[in-house]
Amino acid sequence: QVQLKESGPGLVQPSQTLSLTCTVSGFSLTSNSVSWVRQPPGKGLEWMGAIWSGGSTDYNSALKSRLSISRDTSKSQVFLKMNSLQTEDTAIYFCTRSGVYYGLSDWYFDFWGPGTMVTVSS
Amino acid sequence: DIVMTQSPSSLAVSAGETVTINCKSSQSLFWSGSQMNYLAWYQQKPGQSPKLLIYYASTRQSGVPDRFIGSGSGTDFTLTISGVQAEDLAVYYCQHHYDSLPYTFGAGTKLELK
Repeated sequence: QVQLKESGPGLVQPSQTLSLTCTVSGFSLTSNSVSWVRQPPGKGLEWMGAIWSGGSTDYNSALKSRLSISRDTSKSQVFLKMNSLQTEDTAIYFCTRSGVYYGLSDWYFDFWGPGTMVTVSS
Repeated sequence: DIVMTQSPSSLAVSAGETVTINCKSSQSLFWSGSQMNYLAWYQQKPGQSPKLLIYYASTRQSGVPDRFIGSGSGTDFTLTISGVQAEDLAVYYCQHHYDSLPYTFGAGTKLELK
C-alpha cells in the first residue's frame, strides 16, 4: 500500500540548514509527484514545494530562496533542504503524494506521511 | 497568490446535525478546458496528518463516507457533513489545486461538540 515517511533531526539551531528525507513505498517517484507541506504548532498548512514525477521542481515563492527539493528514485526518497532557519520555521513537516486523475498528475494530496516535528532553537 | 478564506473558523455541533463549512477563493478555480473546479477538502484530527476527503470540488476520495458532500463552483465552495458523528470532530481545510502556484490552504474550520 502507499506509504510516505519523513525523517530528520528534531532540533535545528537558528541560521542552520534543515535536511529532511521522505521515504516512499507503494508507488514510484517517476509516476507521482511529491510535495512538502508544513504546519506550525496550532496553525494551518503551508505548501512549500514539490518535485514532479519528471524530476522538475516548483517552490513557494515565499521560501524559494532558501529551499531545495531533490530525489533519489533508486532509493524511493525525496529530500528537502532549507537554509537560514529561524524560530518561525518550527513546524511539523509533511511529505505528500499528488493525486493522479486519468493519468495526469494534479495538485491535490491523496496520501500524507505522519509528519516530523522540527524545532528551531538554540 | 490565491487566497482561500474559510468560514466559520469554528463550529459547535451535536451528533446527528448537518453542518456546512464555507470556502471562498480570491479567484475562480474553474477551468473551462476541463469543466472542473480545482478545490480540495481535507480533514485533520488531533495528532494526525490531513486526510483527503474531496477533490475537484465534489469528487469524494475512495473510502470517504457519503455523508461528506462537496459543492460549489467558481469562487464559492461548501463542504456539507450530513448527520455529524463523533468521529467527524476535526479541523477541516480547503485547498486550491488550480494551476497557480503556490497551492494555498484555508485557515481551517474546527468542528467541536456542543
